[in-house]
Amino acid sequence: QVQLQESGPGLVKPSETLSLACTVSGGSMTSYFWSVIRQSPGKGLEWIGHVFHTGRIDYNPSLKSRVTFSLDMSKRQFSLRMNSVTAADSALYYCAGGQGGESYWGQGTLVTVSS
Amino acid sequence: QSVLTQPPSVSAAPGQKVSISCSGSSSNIGDNYVSWFQQFPETAPKLLIYDDNKRPSEIPDRFSGSKSGTSATLGITGLQTGDEADYYCGTWDSSLSAWLFGGGTKLTVL
Repeated sequence: QVQLQESGPGLVKPSETLSLACTVSGGSMTSYFWSVIRQSPGKGLEWIGHVFHTGRIDYNPSLKSRVTFSLDMSKRQFSLRMNSVTAADSALYYCAGGQGGESYWGQGTLVTVSS
Repeated sequence: QSVLTQPPSVSAAPGQKVSISCSGSSSNIGDNYVSWFQQFPETAPKLLIYDDNKRPSEIPDRFSGSKSGTSATLGITGLQTGDEADYYCGTWDSSLSAWLFGGGTKLTVL
């Protein structure tokens, strides 16, 4: 069974960089797309992007200029860096992995952007 | 404003059937498989339907999915109070090269 654990900063200052790490346990790192999805309080789901073991990375076009994904299979981790954050980036950030009929999600980590 | 359009809310009585629609375009629903997710408050979303109409093994057959053209529908029969949740459709958009979620639909079981 695949399990995901997010490691986030909790609090980030405006204009700074948000770094989020997702650690994967169980399963194969080569079987799934590894994604980060966020949800602002009381709002819907927003896909930020995903990375595949082949090196393929896709980003949400609205965030692409500020976001970078990376994958470290030896550490069983994938990571997100989002620069120039604003209060609008405050949200619950989920790490997820999936392909076809399999979908695994972490419990989410709350990130607040505030000075 | 989501590219995939869902009704903000639907409601029905216990035991009844409800349908939740998801409307898109030729570059997303019309060209790719649709998934549906269920989310309870304070918990991560859970996959209900994938590839338009397939269910993971642990999902009861009260949940079904269908698609026609650029619209998809989630159906839930034999409604239970425990089905009260937010439901999201999702699919890939071939033009944007991005995954899209609908805005979500809150189901109330009266």
